[in-house]
Amino acid sequence: AQTVTQSQPEMSVQEAETVTLSCTYDTSESDYYLFWYKQPPSRQMILVIRQEAYKQQNATENRFSVNFQKAAKSFSLKISDSQLGDAAMYFCAYRSRSNDYKLSFGAGTTVTVRA
Amino acid sequence: GAVVSQHPSRVICKSGTSVKIECRSLDFQATTMFWYRQFPKQSLMLMATSNEGSKATYEQGVEKDKFLINHASLTLSTLTVTSAHPEDSSFYICSARDGASGSYEQFFGPGTRLTVL
Repeated sequence: AQTVTQSQPEMSVQEAETVTLSCTYDTSESDYYLFWYKQPPSRQMILVIRQEAYKQQNATENRFSVNFQKAAKSFSLKISDSQLGDAAMYFCAYRSRSNDYKLSFGAGTTVTVRA
Repeated sequence: GAVVSQHPSRVICKSGTSVKIECRSLDFQATTMFWYRQFPKQSLMLMATSNEGSKATYEQGVEKDKFLINHASLTLSTLTVTSAHPEDSSFYICSARDGASGSYEQFFGPGTRLTVL
């Protein structure tokens, strides 16, 4: 199974400021998917953003963007203009291009937004 | 958007009893469903993958006789925790994949909190 590492257990950000969450992964595959999921206090998992490894362009979804560095096996998430509703646990996840569709999750980073 | 429901949202049971958790895809046919377990402030751990009409595939270290998974229809998968013990207390999450759409995405249920006394 692929290993996904999130080295920041907790991050704190001031409202309206920017925070970057780090994620590295280990794989021998050349084609795969990477995801960031948000889990708010309700515990409902929400897909934030995804990146396909064969695409060089970094994915962006409104205030959320990624920095995908394939050679370094790094996939960081930037949250711009942080809002109180962004407070949650964020998980980085890896999925092979194979047919099993399994997700491997990192340990998660808890983001706190200060008003 | 695709919706996945879980029932019950919370369950408390006595040690030694069995508990069934349902996972339903409400507006799509889920060819594949996944069951995860999550301890407080920890990550999701994949327990098993189930495909409609076939036996579930369990991850290494997960007791298949303890955690019975049935995926009898394209919209329903069940997880039965048999002879539950306090160490089985956890948050259980299911997700489902819409195979017909070819979508990459897994849609997650809201989770079930199991407490075994």
